[in-house]
Amino acid sequence: GQNIDQPTEMTATEGAIVQINCTYQTSGFNGLFWYQQHAGEAPTFLSYNVLDGLEEKGRFSSFLSRSKGYSYLLLKELQMKDSASYLCAVRDGDYKLSFGAGTTVTVRA
Amino acid sequence: GAVVSQHPSWVICKSGTSVKIECRSLDFQATTMFWYRQFPKQSLMLMATSNEGSKATYEQGVEKDKFLINHASLTLSTLTVTSAHPEDSSFYICSARDLSRGDTGELFFGEGSRLTVL
Repeated sequence: GQNIDQPTEMTATEGAIVQINCTYQTSGFNGLFWYQQHAGEAPTFLSYNVLDGLEEKGRFSSFLSRSKGYSYLLLKELQMKDSASYLCAVRDGDYKLSFGAGTTVTVRA
Repeated sequence: GAVVSQHPSWVICKSGTSVKIECRSLDFQATTMFWYRQFPKQSLMLMATSNEGSKATYEQGVEKDKFLINHASLTLSTLTVTSAHPEDSSFYICSARDLSRGDTGELFFGEGSRLTVL
């Protein structure tokens, strides 16, 4: 099974940087994903890491350390529209995705 | 990106009735689709893996006789909540992979279906 931990809530001001950490313990590992989910909507894909290191995509970056069972999502130049829940998800060898409880990020002016 | 369409978006039903939710991949073929359930302020919980032409694989604790899954074609999977009760009220979301894109592993999600059982 999968055990995925991430903080429940984070708050930051517009223009700031936020780092959301995710630790996981899995019986099999085949990639780590970050999704963004606005209230009442389906998740949208942000990033995918399968090898160690940093993946950068515009204002969003994601890092993975497989040996430590650790990932983070970095949100830069925060905008009000970034207020959402951010879900860390781990894929096992059967391509099943297990999600963490999500981190609710609130961006304040 | 690939498009997954889910219908209906909202459904309200009486306790004891059955509700069917459809999940379609609009521009790709999906041999496998995944059904998730999300309760308020909680994360997505995988309910079952829907396989085209064969029986679905259910996660532990999910009643297969209550949540009937049919994956009759490469573009359509259905979830039927039978004899629904208020505790089944939740946000149900389907997802699929587009294997023609190679192994990005990305799952494409439907819009979700919010079920309220009175």
